Amino acid sequence: GAGVSQTPSNKVTEKGKYVELRCDPISGHTALYWYRQSLGQGPEFLIYFQGTGAADDSGLPNDRFFAVRPEGSVSTLKIQRTERGDSAVYLCASSLDGVSPLHFGNGTRLTVT
Amino acid sequence: DAKTTQPPSMDCAEGRAANLPCNHSTISGNEYVYWYRQIHSQGPQYIIHGLKNNETNEMASLIITEDRKSSTLILPHATLRDTAVYYCIVRVPGTYKYIFGTGTRLKVLA
Repeated sequence: GAGVSQTPSNKVTEKGKYVELRCDPISGHTALYWYRQSLGQGPEFLIYFQGTGAADDSGLPNDRFFAVRPEGSVSTLKIQRTERGDSAVYLCASSLDGVSPLHFGNGTRLTVT
Repeated sequence: DAKTTQPPSMDCAEGRAANLPCNHSTISGNEYVYWYRQIHSQGPQYIIHGLKNNETNEMASLIITEDRKSSTLILPHATLRDTAVYYCIVRVPGTYKYIFGTGTRLKVLA
């Protein structure tokens, strides 16, 4: 069956621009996670959704970052006024219920120039 | 926080067993231990998870100590394709948040 799909796979943007990163989770998975991974580091938790609501957004670094999941399926991570330090791989994962194992997509590599 | 500690790197000869340790001394009584691996340019791939008993699947075996403060992932016959970064993670108590450390970089040598 289809896994977690993330688009685009690569995004290059200029400093100060706005970007949206999309995640299509596995069908039927109610839990959805966003992580960010810098080179040589493990994934860093950003936000967790249970259904449509953001149940835990404690990992979002600042108010330039926002994520939505309006219908409880597809999620979009939005970054305003991008900075060079936002360059990283953004990973999405879904889980049947938040206790079952996470299934990750292959990420979106964001480069801010 | 739910912190795990792993050695930064390990080598293993091809065909031999790879034993990857993880300390999770702050784990609570009803939390699972999960293992993932990540190959360059891909997202982490789920391997196995366990609560108290040892577990085995087609990819690996998981041995959890009786006090649950540590575990070992065993790849019984490592191949070159098992070269990856391996992460063990646990859930932060009272949340659905999972914290990754820097993992163990396993290199399987021909």
